[in-house]
Formats: sequence, C-alpha cells, structure tokens
Amino acid sequence: AQTVTQSQPEMSVQEAETVTLSCTYDTSESDYYLFWYKQPPSRQMILVIRQEAYKQQNATENRFSVNFQKAAKSFSLKISDSQLGDAAMYFCAYRNYGGSQGNLIFGKGTKLSVKP
Amino acid sequence: EPEVTQTPSHQVTQMGQEVILRCVPISNHLYFYWYRQILGQKVEFLVSFYNNEISEKSEIFDDQFSVERPDGSNFTLKIRSTKLEDSAMYFCASSRAREETQYFGPGTRLLVL
Repeated sequence: AQTVTQSQPEMSVQEAETVTLSCTYDTSESDYYLFWYKQPPSRQMILVIRQEAYKQQNATENRFSVNFQKAAKSFSLKISDSQLGDAAMYFCAYRNYGGSQGNLIFGKGTKLSVKP
Repeated sequence: EPEVTQTPSHQVTQMGQEVILRCVPISNHLYFYWYRQILGQKVEFLVSFYNNEISEKSEIFDDQFSVERPDGSNFTLKIRSTKLEDSAMYFCASSRAREETQYFGPGTRLLVL
C-alpha cells in the first residue's frame, strides 16, 4: 500500500523568506500524481500544486515550486517570498494513475507559521 | 470560478441519530468523493462515486455510511447511527475526470455528543 510521510510537524519562516516543506512517499507504481494542498484556519482544502510522475520538469505555480526526485521518492514544496497568508497546514498527497484506486492518500501535514 | 459547496457548515447531533451531509460538486464534474479529518489527524478517504455507483470505498466506510446522488446536482453522505468517533470534518471533493485534480469543498464539521 502507498504511504505518504511528512517528517516536519511544524515549520516557521520569516515573512519574505523562503521555506521548504518535505514529503516522502512509498509506492511500487511508476505512474502517479503528487499534490500539495493547503489548509488555512478555515479548514478548507486548497490545491497548491500538482506534479505528474512521468514529467521530469518540476511544477511551478507563482511563488510555489516543487523539487520532485522520483528515484528518491521525494516531493518537497518550496515557498518563496513567504507571505502572512501562507500560514496554514500543508498536506502532501499521492494518487495512483490508472487502475481502480483514484483516491488521494495524505500525509499527516506540516503546520507552517509565518512571522512578520 | 466554480467551486464545491457543502451544507451545513456545522452540525451537532446526538449519538445514535442519523445525519445527512450535503455537497454540490462542480457542475461538469463526474467523479465525487468523501473524505474525513478527525481533529488533529490526517485526511482520510471514505468513498468515491461515479456513474451513480460507488467505485471505491475504504475500510472506514462501513454499513453505517451510504452515499447518494438524489438529483443532478447534490451528492450526499448519510451516517445512519452516529457514534462519538464519527466527530470529524467531512470534506466532499469532485473532479472532472478520474485523472484530474480533485477540488474540495469547505467541509462540514460534525460533532456527535
């Protein structure tokens, strides 16, 4: 079974600086998707970024980028120029490609604090 | 921008009562999901639904749970006889196709007393 591990329960960053959140996963599949979701205090789950495993290029969305290392099964999220509104729980998630399982498998999350 | 909506935002119920949580997925989406998040824990998959039937379900989704798409817009999760441990945030999600991104609703916070 696939698993997702986020080893940093909490992280802190100064406003305008850069922070990297770690995620590792375990799977025997070669094709899959990886996601980062943000959960602010309102608790709504908001998609931050998505990566297809067959793509070598790292996904980027404005200030958010990932470092996808397929061989190492690592998928870290880099937030540049951190803003106060980035403070939230961040969940890494995995999903199989094809087959019968389309559900997301989440890590336990990293709580990010942004200091002014 | 279209979004998934859920009602109610909060629900308090007595143990043993039935609850129905409602979701309106994004209109052109075909795949629907329910997840739950017990306070302080990770988000867990409950069930997925496509073409008017359950396509996958987790071990959590036992006989106390059921899902339905009663009309062209709503997607509901029913808990037949609630237990204390059902207290959680319940998220509905939808996607246009199975391989596409799942978009989440704002959640329903369920408290069972």
